[in-house]
Amino acid sequence: GQNIDQPTEMTATEGAIVQINCTYQTSGFNGLFWYQQHAGEAPTFLSYNVLDGLEEKGRFSSFLSRSKGYSYLLLKELQMKDSASYLCAVHPNYGQNFVFGPGTRLSVLP
Amino acid sequence: NAGVTQTPKFQVLKTGQSMTLQCAQDMNHEYMSWYRQDPGMGLRLIHYSVGAGITDQGEVPNGYNVSRSTTEDFPLRLLSAAPSQTSVYFCASRPGTAKTYEQYFGPGTRLTVT
Repeated sequence: GQNIDQPTEMTATEGAIVQINCTYQTSGFNGLFWYQQHAGEAPTFLSYNVLDGLEEKGRFSSFLSRSKGYSYLLLKELQMKDSASYLCAVHPNYGQNFVFGPGTRLSVLP
Repeated sequence: NAGVTQTPKFQVLKTGQSMTLQCAQDMNHEYMSWYRQDPGMGLRLIHYSVGAGITDQGEVPNGYNVSRSTTEDFPLRLLSAAPSQTSVYFCASRPGTAKTYEQYFGPGTRLTVT
């Protein structure tokens, strides 16, 4: 079966660093994705990992360990606009069946 | 480019009614998908298409039909609406090339079935 777990909610302070974890168990693996979704809006792409290690993109970084079925999204220098849900998704194979986790709602406080 | 567009933005249906949610993209993407999003459950794939004339079922296809007569359009039909279909529906597209698996999402349709 396919299963992806993320914490439901997290809270952090403006200017701080936060790490959002994602664990997955899928029948195959062709890449892991992170999307950001502000309330009432569509998800937007943040990052893509297919090999083990850290991918850095500005204030956001994403890490993958395929052997552990684990990823995290690291957000640095948090801003109020980073308050959103963060969705972890796995692409199990070359078909179109992406599997999404339940999302983590991050609240950034002043 | 308009990207991925969806209509309507909001819809209220009575149980048993049918309707079509529209989705269009102007990026010449081969792959298109329909997801529903419910609280605490993330995005679940309903149906998808890998090109014009080709569709397949996702995780939760029951009660929905799709067709893909052109590259641009991918409508989702609710055959006989049920309260369990109350949800937010997102259409997404991506290129068919393996260079990127990034999906582009439409703004969503918020559907309530009473």
